Amino acid sequence: GAVVSQHPSRVICKSGTSVKIECRSLDFQATTMFWYRQFPKKSLMLMATSNEGSKATYEQGVEKDKFLINHASLTLSTLTVTSAHPEDSSFYICSASLTKYSTDTQYFGPGTRLTVL
Amino acid sequence: DQQVKQNSPSLSVQEGRISILNCDYTNSMFDYFLWYKKYPAEGPTFLISISSIKDKNEDGRFTVFLNKSAKHLSLHIVPSQPGDSAVYFCAASFGGSNYKLTFGKGTLLTVNP
Repeated sequence: GAVVSQHPSRVICKSGTSVKIECRSLDFQATTMFWYRQFPKKSLMLMATSNEGSKATYEQGVEKDKFLINHASLTLSTLTVTSAHPEDSSFYICSASLTKYSTDTQYFGPGTRLTVL
Repeated sequence: DQQVKQNSPSLSVQEGRISILNCDYTNSMFDYFLWYKKYPAEGPTFLISISSIKDKNEDGRFTVFLNKSAKHLSLHIVPSQPGDSAVYFCAASFGGSNYKLTFGKGTLLTVNP
């Protein structure tokens, strides 16, 4: 099956610093990638959708200037949490889809645990 | 405001018996429902889905039932196997889409040998 990796799996950073999380599709080209966030004891929440080569579409309530998403190639998307604060501590997970058609299956990465001190 | 609810955080069953995982939703506009399975340190993987035009979809040991009037769906696994032990997420969307999924919190299933 399609494999999606994320790096790093865990990251601890100081408040005010920026953190970059990478999402890679290892064995397929992902036209569309998604970024989710999961707070403790909460469900996965979609943050943004990005298509290769174009700007990401952010969900309501997600600050695009704080969560920078770059989908520069068909196999790599990055999420940068800028000026991270303790309330940004969460589990971030990406997924990828072969096409931009909404009927395509999403393949999820294993997630990244971010802790902001 | 939780639009997709999985009220049981955990479920434990014996190997060979049936596992029934439940999911309720509040938004009547949802018309496509999916179940994902997640092992520790891995991402969720798609298991089975159902469109609102159906009330049942079966794939091997896995069957999903949809009761639109009750806004309820369930995943049946029979017979349950120890390898089925994982967290199961229910998700819903609009327009038959796999995008913009609204997830439940998940249910941890443990199948005991």
